[in-house]
This record gives sequence, C-alpha cells and structure tokens, in this order.
Amino acid sequence: DAGVIQSPRHEVTEMGQEVTLRCKPISGHDYLFWYRQTMMRGLELLIYFNNNVPIDDSGMPEDRFSAKMPNASFSTLKIQPSEPRDSAVYFCASSFLINVAALNTEAFFGQGTRLTVV
Amino acid sequence: AQSVAQPEDQVNVAEGNPLTVKCTYSVSGNPYLFWYVQYPNRGLQFLLKYITGDNLVKGSYGFEAEFNKSQTSFHLKKPSALVSDSALYFCAVRPRNTGKLIFGQGTTLQVKP
Repeated sequence: DAGVIQSPRHEVTEMGQEVTLRCKPISGHDYLFWYRQTMMRGLELLIYFNNNVPIDDSGMPEDRFSAKMPNASFSTLKIQPSEPRDSAVYFCASSFLINVAALNTEAFFGQGTRLTVV
Repeated sequence: AQSVAQPEDQVNVAEGNPLTVKCTYSVSGNPYLFWYVQYPNRGLQFLLKYITGDNLVKGSYGFEAEFNKSQTSFHLKKPSALVSDSALYFCAVRPRNTGKLIFGQGTTLQVKP
C-alpha cells in the first residue's frame, strides 16, 4: 500500500476562495482523521470518521469548514470561504481501531497539505 | 475532558546521553498510548505504542517508553541520544471506547554533538 495520500501538497489561495483538500486512506482502514497543525495551536483534531460516518466534529473551528467521506477510499476537507488565519498544515490519518489482538491501533499519517491563504 | 500533556516545549541533551521526553494523560479507562515523531516538512511517523502487558515497550530507532498507570504517564526514553534524533515528538492517547486519537502539544528534542 502507498500509505495515506493527500493532495495537493501545497495550496496557495486568495482570501474568500473555496479550498478543497483531499485524502485517500490506507485500504481496509475504518477510521479517518483530519488534523490541523500550526505553531500557535500545535496539532488539533478537527474531525474523525468511522466507517465513513462522522463521529466527532467538535474540533471543526467554524461553519466555514466541512468534511465528507463519500466512500471508504476518499475524504475531503473544504473551507469556504477561506481566511488568512486558516493558513496551516492539514494532515489526514487513517487506522484500524482494534483487531482481535488489538495489535493494529496506530494511525498512519499522510504527508500533509500546506495551505497558505493570502 | 480528555487531554494529553507534554510539559516541556523543548528538551536539550548531548549526544550519547540518555534522553527522556515526558507525557501525562487524562483519559478514563485504559487507553491505548502512542509516541510519534515528526521531522521538518514531513508527516508524523509512528514510533511505539502501549496496548497492554509489560510497562516498558520498545519501538523504532532504539526508543522505548515506560507506562505508569498510577501516575498516568507514558514517558519516552532512549539510553543514548543521537544528533539525528533531533525532531518534534508527540504523545497520543486513544480511548478504547471511542476511537478518538488525541495528541499532546509536542516536544522539540534537540541533541547537540
């Protein structure tokens, strides 16, 4: 497996524009997480899905942010309209929760999308 | 509220000396515990985890971590630090009943020659 794949790697956009970040999780994983990393706030959990269903979106900062997972192999995080304070690195991660022996509980991260809103 | 604390923003050690990066957590039950490392401009890489059993777990690159249930701590250790260990380290917890994965704020490890 190629790991968690995020696109684009870099995105520069103007304030007010819509931004869509994409994530392909590892095949067979049933959890998907979106995180945001900034110097000020560190690594924040925005939302996570289990079997394509959003479980906890309490970390989504505002209504401008939305996330979807239409199938097990694809998720999007959308910001509309974008603002300069949304500039950050956005990570997607996926995992199992447990298997029979609870061996495979760790999450695997993509390389991130560096978003700059000017 | 569920949380993870890494009390040190930065840890400085000399190459060859032992290192410890601290982590405590506030999560009910018996959560899964993890350490991750992040190098500049990269994603997070899994280092090691505690699921159950022996309180001392071993992971990648010679790192190990000690679980202490009474102190709700999971400190990362390495007997002899390398300059190449310099990076940002994250502790994380995962409650067994929710699947949520919660990270601490990260600790920068600086190993000097």
